[in-house]
Order: sequence, then C-alpha cells, then structure tokens
Amino acid sequence: AQKITQTQPGMFVQEKEAVTLDCTYDTSDQSYGLFWYKQPSSGEMIFLIYQGSYDEQNATEGRYSLNFQKARKSANLVISASQLGDSAMYFCAMRERETSYDKVIFGPGTSLSVIP
Amino acid sequence: DTAVSQTPKYLVTQMGNDKSIKCEQNLGHDTMYWYKQDSKKFLKIMFSYNNKELIINETVPNRFSPKSPDKAHLNLHINSLELGDSAVYFCASSQGDIGSPLHFGNGTRLTVT
Repeated sequence: AQKITQTQPGMFVQEKEAVTLDCTYDTSDQSYGLFWYKQPSSGEMIFLIYQGSYDEQNATEGRYSLNFQKARKSANLVISASQLGDSAMYFCAMRERETSYDKVIFGPGTSLSVIP
Repeated sequence: DTAVSQTPKYLVTQMGNDKSIKCEQNLGHDTMYWYKQDSKKFLKIMFSYNNKELIINETVPNRFSPKSPDKAHLNLHINSLELGDSAVYFCASSQGDIGSPLHFGNGTRLTVT
C-alpha cells in the first residue's frame, strides 16, 4: 500500500502567485517526520522543510510553509510568491520508525511549472 | 566542500557488465542510504547502513551489493547489469533522529545498453 500520496502529477502556477502541493500519508506510528524536497531539472535533491508529528505549529522556511493537518494525515506544501526558479519536481517524504531503525520513503512527486 | 559526493556522475555500460558507484559523506552522519530513481522519477529506497551495519535491504536483487568500509563511505556494486537497472542512483546520509533530513549526493545516471 502506498504510504505517501501526491495526487497532483503536474501543477501550473502564475509567477508571483501562491501554490499548494498536496501530500497525504499513512502511518500507525505516533512519532514520525515529514519532509519536502525539491528536484530541479539539473537533478539534485534539495531539502526544503520539515514537520514533526508532535510539532504544534506549522513549519515555515522563507517562502515555504507546511500546512500540517494531523487528523487528516496531510502535510501540504505552500509556496508563496512563486518564482520561475521554483519550476521543479517536489517530493513529500516521511520518516517513520520501525522497530529499531528508521527509513525515509518518498511520494511519487508533483511537477510544478511556474508561468511568467 | 561537497557534503555527499558520489562518483561517477554518468555511467554507460553494456548488459552483463559489473560496475561500482562510490559515495562519501563528510557530515559525520551515522546513516547512509542508496536510493534508485526510475524514469518516472519515483524514488525507492534500496539500502541503508548505520555505522557500517546493514539496516535496510528493500528486496533488492542480490546482484546489488552495498559495502560500507567505514561510516563515511557507502559503495554500491552491481553485477551482471540488466537493461532494467538503468536509472539514477542517489546516495544520501543523515543523522539518526527522526527530524534529520537526508542529504543527497548529486546522483549517478546509469545507462545499460
């Protein structure tokens, strides 16, 4: 069963507007971490933002914020004031602890295109 | 100062050959990983090592053999390469706590012809 779902394979946004990228997850753990990564066309993986399952406030990092709704098991990424350089693949990921080790699994990604 | 470096960046080889990808991290992290990204961009974990000990092996064919000589290095050796092995392979490292992000290398694009 897919643990991370990103229902938007592709998204378009006008430059300077805000965009929300959806992510839902499935876990039975109480303690877990949620991450968002950006992969531009050059291929590198760039860490953007982190949200812990026990964090009461939504995480923010510059133009990135995470809309965390624990009961709904969703962790949507909000990018404000989109820039052309935001065009990239965006991956939601979750770290959960299984017995004595942890692993990070990724969603299928959303391709974001920023239109001038 | 590259935090996670992997070599080579590109690897083109024929079916049946054996090849290796090397990875080194200078972040002092205890855990290192190999991920495979397929043509649809899906990232799948293959292996993780914690302080040189294999922790995760995600039902990867045994043609793939990771080796960690020390906690700063995690190499991937692939025997008898197949067409389906063509992908981008990412090395990553992190600390062990749940809030630590993965730090990725720049990836190795493997093409099997």
